Amino acid sequence: DAGITQSPRHKVTETGTPVTLRCHQTENHRYMYWYRQDPGHGLRLIHYSYGVKDTDKGEVSDGYSVSRSKTEDFLLTLESATSSQTSVYFCAISEREDSSYEQYFGPGTRLTVT
Amino acid sequence: GQNIDQPTEMTATEGAIVQINCTYQTSGFNGLFWYQQHAGEAPTFLSYNVLDGLEEKGRFSSFLSRSKGYSYLLLKELQMKDSASYLCAVRDSNYQLIWGAGTKLIIKP
Repeated sequence: DAGITQSPRHKVTETGTPVTLRCHQTENHRYMYWYRQDPGHGLRLIHYSYGVKDTDKGEVSDGYSVSRSKTEDFLLTLESATSSQTSVYFCAISEREDSSYEQYFGPGTRLTVT
Repeated sequence: GQNIDQPTEMTATEGAIVQINCTYQTSGFNGLFWYQQHAGEAPTFLSYNVLDGLEEKGRFSSFLSRSKGYSYLLLKELQMKDSASYLCAVRDSNYQLIWGAGTKLIIKP
C-alpha cells in the first residue's frame, strides 16, 4: 500500500469555525489531490497540487483553500465551515498524471458540520 | 458538460458473473480507470484502459470502446468479498479524473 495518511480521521465541528485537514505521504509523489465524496455523487475534485507551492482549483473549490509547503504534506482548510461541507474527504497521490499512473487514496476523513 | 454514467446498484449471486457498465462523455480522453471501494474504506485501483479492447487481470476484466464512449468491468466467479462499490473514472484532456457515482454491487449467497 502507498504510504498515505490523513488526519484527523473523524471530526465534528460547528458552522462558522475553520477546519484544517492534513494529508501526509511517504512516497515522494509529485501530485496530490483533495476530493470530497457524497452519496449520489462521484468523487469531486476540490484542489490539487503538482509540486511544492504549486496548487490549482478543482471542480468544487469554493469555500476551500490548500497549501503545500513540503512535498509530503498537503493541507485542506475550510475557512468557515458550513453544513454543506459535511462529507467524506479523501486525499490522493500520484507519481505522474499521464499514462496509466493511477491515484492512490488515503483512508479518508469524515467531517460533520453541525 | 462532462458526464460518467453507471448503474446505481446491481445484485448478483456468489459464483456467478456480473458486468458493470460505464458510459462517458468527457472533454478529451486519456484513459479510463476502474476502482473498487468497500463501505467505509478508500477506493483502490483495479484496472486501466486506454486502447480499445479487453484487459484481463485474474477474475476481473475491463473492456473499452472509445468510439462508443463505453466501458465495462466484468467480474467472474463472484465471491462475497466482491460486495463493494465499483467506480469508473475517465482522465480528461486536462489529465484530471472525472468520476462516476459508482455502482454498488450486492452479492447474495
